[in-house]
Amino acid sequence: ETGVTQTPRHLVMGMTNKKSLKCEQHLGHNAMYWYKQSAKKPLELMFVYSLEERVENNSVPSRFSPECPNSSHLFLHLHTLQPEDSALYLCASSQERGQGNEKLFFGSGTQLSVL
Amino acid sequence: EDKVVQSPLSLVVHEGDTVTLNCSYEVTNFRSLLWYKQEKKAPTFLFMLTSSGIEKKSGRLSSILDKKELFSILNITATQTGDSAIYLCAVGYNTDKLIFGTGTRLQVFP
Repeated sequence: ETGVTQTPRHLVMGMTNKKSLKCEQHLGHNAMYWYKQSAKKPLELMFVYSLEERVENNSVPSRFSPECPNSSHLFLHLHTLQPEDSALYLCASSQERGQGNEKLFFGSGTQLSVL
Repeated sequence: EDKVVQSPLSLVVHEGDTVTLNCSYEVTNFRSLLWYKQEKKAPTFLFMLTSSGIEKKSGRLSSILDKKELFSILNITATQTGDSAIYLCAVGYNTDKLIFGTGTRLQVFP
């Protein structure tokens, strides 16, 4: 157990559906992240929140919408996705954002399939 | 362009073998290099290295960083089937950036 819990573990959705991914961390960390992991590609950073404020958005399409209601919870709202969005979505947290806080704690991810 | 390159992409060995995984990088204002093990889904932290020449060790795993030649190696001695996983290398740079390599898939057979 890493202290970061993601639900659901698996998700299959059609291109017209709306769904949400949930992440919760029990580590008292102040920074939370969404990463996308596609086959044979490096982990891609999508969003970063520090103290509930979005501090980075790496040119992610608007069909992905993050939400961070407090420092322990992070959501990724999905709508009108494309088949190429099928991937493993990983949530992570760190004590703080920035130098000296490169050590991330990852959740088990949500394996997303878009049909 | 900042990048992290891992090699080999995949490796198949038998139990008891020793393996060496490589991670080279080109980044601006290097801060740290990290190794993670991804068995099923969640990457778990192994090591963080910031200084050249100082070996980090945990059981059968060890890692060292060469900041002059811009690479790190992860050694696993006396491999076991439980070592089968994807090993990810990540490099922290600039103020708050972190970039990952594509990983090395290690398969250990009995």
